Amino acid sequence: DGGITQSPKYLFRKEGQNVTLSCEQNLNHDAMYWYRQDPGQGLRLIYYSQIVNDFQKGDIAEGYSVSREKKESFPLTVTSAQKNPTAFYLCASSVTSGRSGELFFGEGSRLTVL
Amino acid sequence: AQSVTQLDSQVPVFEEAPVELRCNYSSSVSVYLFWYVQYPNQGLQLLLKYLSGSTLVKGINGFEAEFNKSQTSFHLRKPSVHISDTAEYFCAVSARGNNNDMRFGAGTRLTVKP
Repeated sequence: DGGITQSPKYLFRKEGQNVTLSCEQNLNHDAMYWYRQDPGQGLRLIYYSQIVNDFQKGDIAEGYSVSREKKESFPLTVTSAQKNPTAFYLCASSVTSGRSGELFFGEGSRLTVL
Repeated sequence: AQSVTQLDSQVPVFEEAPVELRCNYSSSVSVYLFWYVQYPNQGLQLLLKYLSGSTLVKGINGFEAEFNKSQTSFHLRKPSVHISDTAEYFCAVSARGNNNDMRFGAGTRLTVKP
């Protein structure tokens, strides 16, 4: 079935460590997104990518990095510079970013910093 | 930019009762509107969307929403809820032609009691 796969579902990290969250989609969508979800705050955009080898910062990009080397893949690295990384991270995709329509979401990755 | 306000953070109702989850938005341009549902530790799933046309939009699981441009609202309704409707519901708005700027509300936790 077509969809978005995020891994790992749960991840624990010590302070000062970088961690990479995987996001793969087989929907043939051009655009991909990373959101951070905290209780009571809804979703906030970290990074998005409209095409391969191009990506843009969202509202809360500090302390995060991404790459888009393949259309299907959009990994997110949470660096040690991120002050408060414990959160639920959601990857999404859409047909294009230039034509509005719904986002398709993965199951999420919950990161806990110990 | 757009913004979304979900007027209730929690809505408790009894099974088979009607429910309304309220959403107001703000935007200086034409918008698309969405309602998503999130079950615990999962991603978001689209319930319904308003892009154009009829202001009454029907979605999955018996939900519907009405776009009211004069009141800048997009309230979600269901005439009779089930226990399985217990979840977090998010209203979202995007400017037409720009998924990159989709804004989410803080969410409404719907709890259906027997």
